Amino acid sequence: GENVEQHPSTLSVQEGDSAVIKCTYSDSASNYFPWYKQELGKGPQLIIDIRSNVGEKKDQRIAVTLNKTAKHFSLHITETQPEDSAVYFCAASRDTGGFKTIFGAGTRLFVKA
Amino acid sequence: ETGVTQSPTHLIKTRGQQVTLRCSSQSGHNTVSWYQQALGQGPQFIFQYYREEENGRGNFPPRFSGLQFPNYSSELNVNALELDDSALYLCASSLVHTAESIQYFGAGTRLSVL
Repeated sequence: GENVEQHPSTLSVQEGDSAVIKCTYSDSASNYFPWYKQELGKGPQLIIDIRSNVGEKKDQRIAVTLNKTAKHFSLHITETQPEDSAVYFCAASRDTGGFKTIFGAGTRLFVKA
Repeated sequence: ETGVTQSPTHLIKTRGQQVTLRCSSQSGHNTVSWYQQALGQGPQFIFQYYREEENGRGNFPPRFSGLQFPNYSSELNVNALELDDSALYLCASSLVHTAESIQYFGAGTRLSVL
Protein backbone atom coordinates (compact mmCIF):
# COMPACT_ATOMS: atom_id res chain seq x y z
CA GLY A 1 0.00 0.00 0.00
CA GLU A 2 0.93 3.66 -0.06
CA ASN A 3 3.34 4.82 2.60
CA VAL A 4 5.79 7.53 3.59
CA GLU A 5 9.12 6.53 5.10
CA GLN A 6 10.88 9.07 7.31
CA HIS A 7 14.49 9.02 8.58
CA PRO A 8 16.02 9.32 11.06
CA SER A 9 13.60 8.53 13.88
CA THR A 10 15.78 10.45 16.35
CA LEU A 11 18.25 13.26 15.68
CA SER A 12 20.45 15.01 18.21
CA VAL A 13 22.43 18.11 17.20
CA GLN A 14 24.40 20.85 18.91
CA GLU A 15 22.87 24.31 18.96
CA GLY A 16 23.89 26.17 15.82
CA ASP A 17 24.37 23.02 13.74
CA SER A 18 22.12 21.98 10.85
CA ALA A 19 19.51 19.21 10.94
CA VAL A 20 18.30 17.22 7.94
CA ILE A 21 15.27 14.93 7.84
CA LYS A 22 14.48 12.81 4.79
CA CYS A 23 11.26 11.27 3.51
CA THR A 24 10.34 8.95 0.67
CA TYR A 25 6.81 8.50 -0.63
CA SER A 26 5.24 5.83 -2.81
CA ASP A 27 2.00 7.36 -4.17
CA SER A 28 2.75 8.91 -7.56
CA ALA A 29 -0.46 10.97 -7.38
CA SER A 30 0.84 12.96 -4.37
CA ASN A 31 1.02 16.64 -5.27
CA TYR A 32 1.58 18.45 -1.99
CA PHE A 33 4.20 17.85 0.68
CA PRO A 34 3.83 19.61 4.05
CA TRP A 35 6.12 19.43 7.05
CA TYR A 36 4.75 19.70 10.58
CA LYS A 37 6.23 20.35 14.00
CA GLN A 38 4.49 18.80 16.99
CA GLU A 39 5.23 19.86 20.54
CA LEU A 40 4.10 18.00 23.63
CA GLY A 41 0.36 18.27 24.23
CA LYS A 42 -0.32 20.05 20.95
CA GLY A 43 -1.48 19.17 17.49
CA PRO A 44 0.92 19.29 14.53
CA GLN A 45 1.66 22.76 13.18
CA LEU A 46 2.67 23.43 9.59
CA ILE A 47 6.19 24.86 9.30
CA ILE A 48 6.77 24.71 5.55
CA ASP A 49 5.27 23.06 2.50
CA ILE A 50 6.15 22.41 -1.12
CA ARG A 51 4.04 21.74 -4.18
CA SER A 52 4.82 19.09 -6.75
CA ASN A 53 5.82 21.60 -9.45
CA VAL A 54 8.52 23.18 -7.25
CA GLY A 55 11.97 21.74 -6.48
CA GLU A 56 12.99 23.86 -3.54
CA LYS A 57 11.53 26.36 -1.07
CA LYS A 58 13.12 28.35 1.73
CA ASP A 59 11.69 30.27 4.67
CA GLN A 60 14.35 31.86 6.90
CA ARG A 61 16.19 28.96 8.62
CA ILE A 62 13.99 26.25 7.11
CA ALA A 63 14.19 24.82 3.59
CA VAL A 64 12.57 21.92 1.82
CA THR A 65 13.65 20.13 -1.35
CA LEU A 66 11.62 17.80 -3.54
CA ASN A 67 12.82 15.25 -6.10
CA LYS A 68 9.65 13.99 -7.80
CA THR A 69 11.48 11.50 -9.99
CA ALA A 70 13.02 9.77 -6.98
CA LYS A 71 9.98 10.48 -4.76
CA HIS A 72 12.22 12.01 -2.11
CA PHE A 73 11.76 15.20 -0.12
CA SER A 74 13.85 16.63 2.69
CA LEU A 75 13.67 19.22 5.45
CA HIS A 76 16.73 21.30 6.28
CA ILE A 77 16.95 23.40 9.44
CA THR A 78 20.01 25.64 9.75
CA GLU A 79 21.37 27.38 12.85
CA THR A 80 19.30 25.17 15.13
CA GLN A 81 18.08 26.54 18.45
CA PRO A 82 16.87 24.73 21.60
CA GLU A 83 13.29 25.78 20.79
CA ASP A 84 13.53 23.74 17.57
CA SER A 85 13.43 20.61 19.76
CA ALA A 86 10.19 18.78 18.90
CA VAL A 87 8.83 15.96 16.76
CA TYR A 88 8.77 16.67 13.02
CA PHE A 89 6.50 14.92 10.53
CA CYS A 90 6.57 14.87 6.77
CA ALA A 91 3.42 14.11 4.80
CA ALA A 92 2.39 13.45 1.21
CA SER A 93 -1.08 14.55 0.11
CA ARG A 94 -3.21 14.22 -2.98
CA ASP A 95 -6.76 15.08 -4.01
CA THR A 96 -7.09 12.89 -7.09
CA GLY A 97 -10.01 10.55 -6.47
CA GLY A 98 -10.73 12.19 -3.12
CA PHE A 99 -8.44 13.74 -0.53
CA LYS A 100 -5.81 11.57 1.09
CA THR A 101 -2.71 12.32 3.13
CA ILE A 102 -0.09 10.00 4.55
CA PHE A 103 2.27 11.02 7.35
CA GLY A 104 5.72 9.72 8.09
CA ALA A 105 6.41 8.15 11.49
CA GLY A 106 8.16 11.26 12.78
CA THR A 107 11.63 12.45 13.78
CA ARG A 108 12.35 13.48 17.34
CA LEU A 109 14.84 16.35 17.17
CA PHE A 110 16.92 17.28 20.20
CA VAL A 111 18.92 20.51 20.04
CA LYS A 112 21.52 20.65 22.80
CA ALA A 113 22.46 24.07 24.16
CA GLU B 1 -3.56 28.86 18.83
CA THR B 2 -5.17 27.56 15.62
CA GLY B 3 -8.80 28.29 16.44
CA VAL B 4 -9.69 24.60 16.10
CA THR B 5 -11.21 23.25 19.31
CA GLN B 6 -11.83 19.63 20.21
CA SER B 7 -13.87 18.09 23.00
CA PRO B 8 -13.51 16.33 25.27
CA THR B 9 -9.78 16.57 26.03
CA HIS B 10 -9.60 13.10 27.54
CA LEU B 11 -11.97 10.16 27.51
CA ILE B 12 -11.97 6.67 28.98
CA LYS B 13 -14.19 3.95 27.53
CA THR B 14 -14.42 0.19 27.77
CA ARG B 15 -14.15 -2.29 24.93
CA GLY B 16 -17.37 -2.62 22.93
CA GLN B 17 -18.69 0.84 23.80
CA GLN B 18 -19.33 3.68 21.37
CA VAL B 19 -17.75 7.13 21.47
CA THR B 20 -18.40 10.53 19.87
CA LEU B 21 -15.67 13.14 19.53
CA ARG B 22 -16.36 16.73 18.53
CA CYS B 23 -14.51 19.40 16.60
CA SER B 24 -15.17 23.08 15.91
CA SER B 25 -13.46 24.42 12.80
CA GLN B 26 -11.53 27.64 12.49
CA SER B 27 -13.81 30.45 11.37
CA GLY B 28 -14.31 30.50 7.59
CA HIS B 29 -13.11 26.92 7.06
CA ASN B 30 -15.50 24.54 5.29
CA THR B 31 -13.39 21.36 5.41
CA VAL B 32 -12.58 19.08 8.34
CA SER B 33 -10.24 16.10 8.45
CA TRP B 34 -9.82 13.54 11.23
CA TYR B 35 -6.69 11.65 12.18
CA GLN B 36 -5.72 8.91 14.63
CA GLN B 37 -2.29 9.22 16.25
CA ALA B 38 -1.04 6.24 18.23
CA LEU B 39 1.69 6.88 20.79
CA GLY B 40 5.01 7.51 19.10
CA GLN B 41 3.55 7.36 15.59
CA GLY B 42 2.54 9.79 12.89
CA PRO B 43 -1.10 10.77 12.43
CA GLN B 44 -3.14 8.38 10.27
CA PHE B 45 -5.80 9.90 8.04
CA ILE B 46 -9.31 8.66 8.84
CA PHE B 47 -11.51 10.80 6.57
CA GLN B 48 -12.27 14.30 5.36
CA TYR B 49 -15.60 16.13 5.20
CA TYR B 50 -16.34 18.98 2.84
CA ARG B 51 -19.72 20.70 2.88
CA GLU B 52 -21.25 17.85 4.88
CA GLU B 53 -20.09 15.12 2.46
CA GLU B 54 -17.21 12.66 2.87
CA ASN B 55 -14.43 13.75 0.48
CA GLY B 56 -11.85 11.05 1.10
CA ARG B 57 -11.21 8.16 3.44
CA GLY B 58 -8.17 6.33 4.76
CA ASN B 59 -7.87 2.64 5.61
CA PHE B 60 -10.27 2.58 8.53
CA PRO B 61 -13.22 0.18 8.97
CA PRO B 62 -16.86 1.33 8.69
CA ARG B 63 -17.23 1.47 12.48
CA PHE B 64 -15.39 4.79 12.16
CA SER B 65 -17.95 7.26 10.87
CA GLY B 66 -18.33 11.00 10.75
CA LEU B 67 -20.66 13.92 10.35
CA GLN B 68 -20.24 17.52 9.36
CA PHE B 69 -22.88 20.07 10.26
CA PRO B 70 -24.06 23.18 8.37
CA ASN B 71 -21.83 25.35 10.60
CA TYR B 72 -18.90 23.12 9.48
CA SER B 73 -18.31 21.63 12.93
CA SER B 74 -17.81 17.88 12.89
CA GLU B 75 -18.15 14.66 14.85
CA LEU B 76 -16.17 11.44 14.75
CA ASN B 77 -18.07 8.36 15.90
CA VAL B 78 -16.43 5.04 16.70
CA ASN B 79 -18.58 1.98 17.36
CA ALA B 80 -17.63 -1.31 19.02
CA LEU B 81 -14.45 0.12 20.54
CA GLU B 82 -11.36 -2.08 20.52
CA LEU B 83 -8.25 -1.79 22.70
CA ASP B 84 -6.23 -0.69 19.64
CA ASP B 85 -8.50 2.34 19.25
CA SER B 86 -6.66 3.93 22.18
CA ALA B 87 -4.94 6.96 20.65
CA LEU B 88 -4.93 10.72 20.25
CA TYR B 89 -7.64 11.77 17.80
CA LEU B 90 -6.85 14.95 15.91
CA CYS B 91 -9.15 17.18 13.96
CA ALA B 92 -7.87 19.63 11.35
CA SER B 93 -9.78 22.29 9.47
CA SER B 94 -8.86 23.92 6.17
CA LEU B 95 -10.20 26.72 4.04
CA VAL B 96 -11.07 24.43 1.13
CA HIS B 97 -10.90 20.71 0.37
CA THR B 98 -7.87 20.60 -1.92
CA ALA B 99 -4.62 18.90 -0.94
CA GLU B 100 -2.77 22.24 -0.96
CA SER B 101 -5.10 23.92 1.52
CA ILE B 102 -3.25 24.34 4.80
CA GLN B 103 -4.60 22.22 7.61
CA TYR B 104 -4.87 23.70 11.10
CA PHE B 105 -4.91 21.09 13.84
CA GLY B 106 -6.62 21.07 17.20
CA ALA B 107 -4.86 19.76 20.31
CA GLY B 108 -6.72 16.46 20.08
CA THR B 109 -8.83 14.14 22.21
CA ARG B 110 -6.95 11.38 24.01
CA LEU B 111 -9.08 8.23 24.04
CA SER B 112 -8.23 5.31 26.32
CA VAL B 113 -10.07 2.02 25.77
CA LEU B 114 -9.89 -0.41 28.70
